[in-house]
Amino acid sequence: QVHLVQSGVEVKKPGASVRISCKTSGYTFTNFYMHWLRQAPGQGLEWMGIINPNAGGTRYAHKFQGRVTMTRDTSTSTVYMELSSLRSEDTAMYYCAREMASFDYWGQGTLVTVSS
Amino acid sequence: EIVLTQSPGTLSLSPEERATLSCRASQSVSSNYLAWYQQKPGQAPRLLIYAASNRATGIPDRFSGSGSGTDFTLTISRLEPEDFAVYYCHYYGSSTYSFGLGTKVEI
Repeated sequence: QVHLVQSGVEVKKPGASVRISCKTSGYTFTNFYMHWLRQAPGQGLEWMGIINPNAGGTRYAHKFQGRVTMTRDTSTSTVYMELSSLRSEDTAMYYCAREMASFDYWGQGTLVTVSS
Repeated sequence: EIVLTQSPGTLSLSPEERATLSCRASQSVSSNYLAWYQQKPGQAPRLLIYAASNRATGIPDRFSGSGSGTDFTLTISRLEPEDFAVYYCHYYGSSTYSFGLGTKVEI
């Protein structure tokens, strides 16, 4: 059974960085691209970027280029998303999602709150 | 960039009624890359429909998707209490990933 389990709640100050993990299980990690998305409180879904777990290649939404870094660890079947220079507008729920005919499996979400 | 416009913003219905949700793309898109998700409060989105009309694994047959070009529809034939949620359409073709703003289906 496919599972995507994300790391826990984060509270950060403006200007800091946050790193979120997404540990996968139940399938071959390197066979499926992984995406990161976010959802601000009461808002819709926003795509942040994609990582190829096999080769490690990434592509980021223009809005986040220069601030986001996605990596993976094939030994633990885990993907990571780091967002730097945090500001209050980055307060959101962050999700990882597997790509298979759109996004078929999602992590449970990680709430990131940015506040001074 | 593909912009997806969902309507209505809110749909007020009763259980057992039929729900029809619309998603309009700013330009013609391939139906192979149009999906619908359901999201309940405090939960991650759940994939309902992919490639415009294919139900995802485990999705009841009261959910159906249709459409092509710029106009797509999600239909819930008979609303169950657990169907009251927010629904998002999503385009994932041409290496772009766009979402509509959602339709809330409420009692």
